[in-house]
Amino acid sequence: SQQGEEDPQALSIQEGENATMNCSYKTSINNLQWYRQNSGRGLVHLILIRSNEREKHSGRLRVTLDTSKKSSSLLITASRAADTASYFCAIFGRSNDMRFGAGTRLTVKP
Amino acid sequence: EAGVAQSPRYKIIEKRQSVAFWCNPISGHATLYWYQQILGQGPKLLIQFQNNGVVDDSQLPKDRFSAERLKGVDSTLKIQPAKLEDSAVYLCASSLQGWGQETQYFGPGTRLLVL
Repeated sequence: SQQGEEDPQALSIQEGENATMNCSYKTSINNLQWYRQNSGRGLVHLILIRSNEREKHSGRLRVTLDTSKKSSSLLITASRAADTASYFCAIFGRSNDMRFGAGTRLTVKP
Repeated sequence: EAGVAQSPRYKIIEKRQSVAFWCNPISGHATLYWYQQILGQGPKLLIQFQNNGVVDDSQLPKDRFSAERLKGVDSTLKIQPAKLEDSAVYLCASSLQGWGQETQYFGPGTRLLVL
């Protein structure tokens, strides 16, 4: 199973600061996706980055992908209290399998 | 556009009992996924359907779990008999074409507690 592994497991920052979360994986991928999950709720898709892409932006979110290092990072700029959630990377592998990591729990203090 | 619907939202059963969950994906979405999310962990894919065919069920405990999507639309996931370790949130998701190339839209989940 080529599950993604997020780092750190937990992150606590002040409102207005930037938050960076990392995801590492072990095998070749088709794409990598980031999802957010607020406490007790379903997952919401944030960004999909394909294996031939290096960087994508969406509002305050920036995702990078380094296939040589088999890693991705999610940057949230100017964080808000509403960004408090768990963030998961999901790996879509060459075998058409989809695997989620254990997530990073982000707390943004007002 | 209506989202992914799941029912029930909560279920409490005793071990060795049976339970079934229902999912109605977004209209027109060909691919449907069932995930198990244990508290503090990421979602674990149980089964993936493309229309009414199974694409991936490698992580489905087939001795007790079963799922079907008979008409390529809604789906049911069954556990029989349930064990304590099955306590989790069961998430259903759908995507337009599938094959992981697109956004998955998740339902609110069914929270199962096995006593």
